[in-house]
Amino acid sequence: DAGVIQSPRHEVTEMGQEVTLRCKPISGHNSLFWYRQTMMRGLELLIYFNNNVPIDDSGMPEDRFSAKMPNASFSTLKIQPSEPRDSAVYFCASSSATGRETQYFGPGTRLLVL
Amino acid sequence: EDQVTQSPEALRLQEGESSSLNCSYTVSGLRGLFWYRQDPGKGPEFLFTLYSAGEEKEKERLKATLTKKESFLHITAPKPEDSATYLCAVLRGSNYKLTFGKGTLLTVNP
Repeated sequence: DAGVIQSPRHEVTEMGQEVTLRCKPISGHNSLFWYRQTMMRGLELLIYFNNNVPIDDSGMPEDRFSAKMPNASFSTLKIQPSEPRDSAVYFCASSSATGRETQYFGPGTRLLVL
Repeated sequence: EDQVTQSPEALRLQEGESSSLNCSYTVSGLRGLFWYRQDPGKGPEFLFTLYSAGEEKEKERLKATLTKKESFLHITAPKPEDSATYLCAVLRGSNYKLTFGKGTLLTVNP
């Protein structure tokens, strides 16, 4: 079975531009998580969806970040406008049931904002 | 607030030299402790889940153990392909939010 799929794998953009990251969770998983990983802060949860509904977005840094899950097989994380401090690796993960089960991670999107 | 501390931050071993990585945690109502392996440029890869003190799980050269305050990842006779960052994470009983440690970077030299 295919794992979590993320695109693009790498993104280089200039400050002020809009960035959209995409995620396809594992088929049958109904919980989806977006994480950000930096050297300083490690892995941090940004937002959690269950059955396509955002449950907890308390980790979203600020209003420049938004996430959607229009259906069970697709989610986006958007940053508008992007800033250099947003440079990081963004991971999507999915799990079954209520989200308290094992989370399986995608390969990540490495974002560099110049 | 849940806290997870991993030590050492980095560990360099010779091939065949067994050792252990430590993950100490402070969380009320632990539901599960997770170990992941992360290779450079890749996402964390799931290794183990431990649910209660005294539990042990093994996979090839890796064995994970859990007490009420910490978990150990024992690596027996490691090989260069075991080189990676090993991440520990905890899940609280009523929550879905994994709290991760900063990881241990393991390097195994041939």
